[in-house]
Amino acid sequence: QKEVEQDPGPLSVPEGAIVSLNCTYSNSAFQYFMWYRQYSRKGPELLMYTYSSGNKEDGRFTAQVDKSSKYISLFIRDSQPSDSATYLCAMSPGYSSASKIIFGSGTRLSIRP
Amino acid sequence: GAVVSQHPSWVICKSGTSVKIECRSLDFQATTMFWYRQFPKQSLMLMATSNEGSKATYEQGVEKDKFLINHASLTLSTLTVTSAHPEDSSFYICSAISPGQGNQPQHFGDGTRLSIL
Repeated sequence: QKEVEQDPGPLSVPEGAIVSLNCTYSNSAFQYFMWYRQYSRKGPELLMYTYSSGNKEDGRFTAQVDKSSKYISLFIRDSQPSDSATYLCAMSPGYSSASKIIFGSGTRLSIRP
Repeated sequence: GAVVSQHPSWVICKSGTSVKIECRSLDFQATTMFWYRQFPKQSLMLMATSNEGSKATYEQGVEKDKFLINHASLTLSTLTVTSAHPEDSSFYICSAISPGQGNQPQHFGDGTRLSIL
């Protein structure tokens, strides 16, 4: 079993829809949770960074962490064609630079105009 | 701010040659840089952690003699794939963090697509 599981998609939704992206994990030691956006042939870009359980909102993006279920989500409101990309969840047990970050395999998202 | 530049963006070479990839932090000093490999439709896999002025720490299963990492300054780390073979073809991405920032945020370069014929 992988430490981090993420549905690869592809996920296609119409412009303006609410998008829900999810990851599950097995390691209860994970404390820090991240979402990255990666455009084709580019490096990942950090979107959201949360610590422990709860919600965090930043503009059209909301990150949700449920540690009891080992489940994290990213919601995108009012989705735009420019949101079309691969979204990677990532998590880490600690804050130090020695704490390895484990990435999900990514979900390909396509927003139809 | 916090720009990481990776060069080259794409390289094609013959089997058996060595390839060097550069990772530079343009507007900050990076005491730690990370090298990842990403196969198509798969997640980023950490290959090694590079600390300025010391030997890199390699992940299990990564051959340190094949993937040579040098972090000679606070703004430059290099990855050399020695005697590359077709199975080494992949997307190699570096990231860098600023001192005192823990392991986040990691600023990523745009990756190097390596194709070995």
